[in-house]
Amino acid sequence: QVQLVQSGAEVKKPGASVKVSCKSSGYSFTSYYMHWLRQAPGQGLEWLGQINPNGDTTRYAQRFQGRVTVTSDTSTSTVYMELSSLSSEDTAVYYCARNRPMVTRTLDYWGQGTLVTVSS
Amino acid sequence: DIQMTQSPSSLSASVGDRVTITCRASQSILNYVNWYQQIPGTTPKLLIYSASSLESGVPSRFSGSGSGTDFTLTISNLQPEDFATYYCQQSYSPLFTFGPGTKVEI
Repeated sequence: QVQLVQSGAEVKKPGASVKVSCKSSGYSFTSYYMHWLRQAPGQGLEWLGQINPNGDTTRYAQRFQGRVTVTSDTSTSTVYMELSSLSSEDTAVYYCARNRPMVTRTLDYWGQGTLVTVSS
Repeated sequence: DIQMTQSPSSLSASVGDRVTITCRASQSILNYVNWYQQIPGTTPKLLIYSASSLESGVPSRFSGSGSGTDFTLTISNLQPEDFATYYCQQSYSPLFTFGPGTKVEI
């Protein structure tokens, strides 16, 4: 079965960077785009960016351009999201999510989430 | 970016009720709308894609409709496990965006 397993919670100081991993199993890793989203405490969902693991092409939300980097490692079926210049406003649960087959920009499987806390 | 709004922001309902949630896009997005359910403490779950297609395994009491700028999610015969927050998401633009959510409470 499809599984997306993310790395554990992180606590970072303002100005630092964080890198979250998402390991996939149960499907052909290079056949589906992977997305990263986040959800601040008590808030809604916000899309950060995506990667096509087959070729590593990426696209990012404009407000995160220059601060977010999404990469993939096909040898381990793992996608990474790195966010730099962290501030308290980046405190959130970060999710990876797979693009549903045959339907553009639709998310069918989600990782369990990684809480990133930014605090001095 | 395409802006998505939802109404109401929250509602109270009872088991067995029929509930309708509305989502509006800031421009025409054809039928490129998805609906997700998020139960507190869990990850979002895809319910409806392409405005009206039911995701595999989702109960048939969930249905979606609409096109252009106005969309609805309907839950008929509300069940205890349906109390959650529901989000619409436009998939028309490569920079896809979500609505703010509608919380369905008992």
